[in-house]
Amino acid sequence: GAGVSQSPRYKVAKRGQDVALRCDPISGHVSLFWYQQALGQGPEFLTYFQNEAQLDKSGLPSDRFFAERPEGSVSTLKIQRTQQEDSAVYLCASSTTGEAFFGQGTRLTVV
Amino acid sequence: DAKTTQPTSMDCAEGRAANLPCNHSTISGNEYVYWYRQIHSQGPQYIIHGLKNNETNEMASLIITEDRKSSTLILPHATLRDTAVYYCIVLSGGYQKVTFGTGTKLQVIP
Repeated sequence: GAGVSQSPRYKVAKRGQDVALRCDPISGHVSLFWYQQALGQGPEFLTYFQNEAQLDKSGLPSDRFFAERPEGSVSTLKIQRTQQEDSAVYLCASSTTGEAFFGQGTRLTVV
Repeated sequence: DAKTTQPTSMDCAEGRAANLPCNHSTISGNEYVYWYRQIHSQGPQYIIHGLKNNETNEMASLIITEDRKSSTLILPHATLRDTAVYYCIVLSGGYQKVTFGTGTKLQVIP
């Protein structure tokens, strides 16, 4: 596709449920980033991949959050045992050099 | 990465130029100034970036002061579709761990 694609667009999860969010970056983009955006706030960095290597996961808020990019293209952000404070928009971005291209995000609501 | 300071909100009349300021007084020599915007319910969109010289593209112009401690994003003829949150970010040229603040909420008024 022409841009970064994220799925699902919306996800409602019951507290304690596991969720998986998918990101399809722009083909050939080496770098991939995940961000969390709470309502009314700017995006906050979660983790960064260069190809399949996760080089920075300093922004992951707890060990319930896990991200992978096994073949250096598609990435999945997994959240185990979801809590209400996990409710947010999760954004994925990819880049080569220069600017980052963002997907539309997945809005996660934990009820 | 250096931190940035932006006004929380601004209004601009449709058709007029929108000038969005950003302070980045702790910027270092190898750090670029990037601007992104986020329209409601969409992901952030890249606008423009620069190092020292002023830059212009089809979307906007970026004016960076000589001491590089501040910059201004200029939308020359604002339209209603330019209503968005605008983020000023400072990054080194390599790994782009983008740190967004709360940005400036620009409201373009008919």
